[in-house]
Amino acid sequence: GDSVTQMEGPVTLSEEAFLTINCTYTATGYPSLFWYVQYPGEGLQLLLKATKADDKGSNKGFEATYRKETTSFHLEKGSVQVSDSAVYFCALSGDNTDKLIFGTGTRLQVFP
Amino acid sequence: EAGVVQSPRYKIIEKKQPVAFWCNPISGHNTLYWYLQNLGQGPELLIRYENEEAVDDSQLPKDRFSAERLKGVDSTLKIQPAELGDSAVYLCASSPTMGGEAFFGQGTRLTVV
Repeated sequence: GDSVTQMEGPVTLSEEAFLTINCTYTATGYPSLFWYVQYPGEGLQLLLKATKADDKGSNKGFEATYRKETTSFHLEKGSVQVSDSAVYFCALSGDNTDKLIFGTGTRLQVFP
Repeated sequence: EAGVVQSPRYKIIEKKQPVAFWCNPISGHNTLYWYLQNLGQGPELLIRYENEEAVDDSQLPKDRFSAERLKGVDSTLKIQPAELGDSAVYLCASSPTMGGEAFFGQGTRLTVV
């Protein structure tokens, strides 16, 4: 069945460092891909999404490009801030369904 | 606009006791989801509603879990009887249409002792 694999955390960075969180997926057809973020004490929030190959989703300085050839959707940010500290979840929804399948989450800790 | 509201935020119960969670989705959202999130894991779908109809409940353990969405608005998720392994965060989400962006509530953290 469909699945999402993302890098284990925690990822620990200094402020202004470059961030990459890897995400790969297995799915039939052409899924939509998402990154959700969960800040401490809050619910999951959609960060960005891409619905077809080569699309780039972006929001709040974060970017991810839908790479069908490598079945990847890696999250990147050029300069992280302390306020970016959170848990990041990669997810997909398959063809003809809006059921979200999540990865296990990656905790990001940014220190000043 | 209010987001998805869940209550209670936290619940501690003894095993074999019943427990219920409540969710009020965003107004006008026809699709409602219940997800289960175990510690250190991503959320997993339990059940999805389109209005008042459960259209995907394949992952709901029906021997002890039940859910309802009367009138296609609020929803409740019940566990009876609860087991130690049910300790987790139960998330509710809603979206305006099937395939639309899902908005999540803060979740209910259940601890079964």
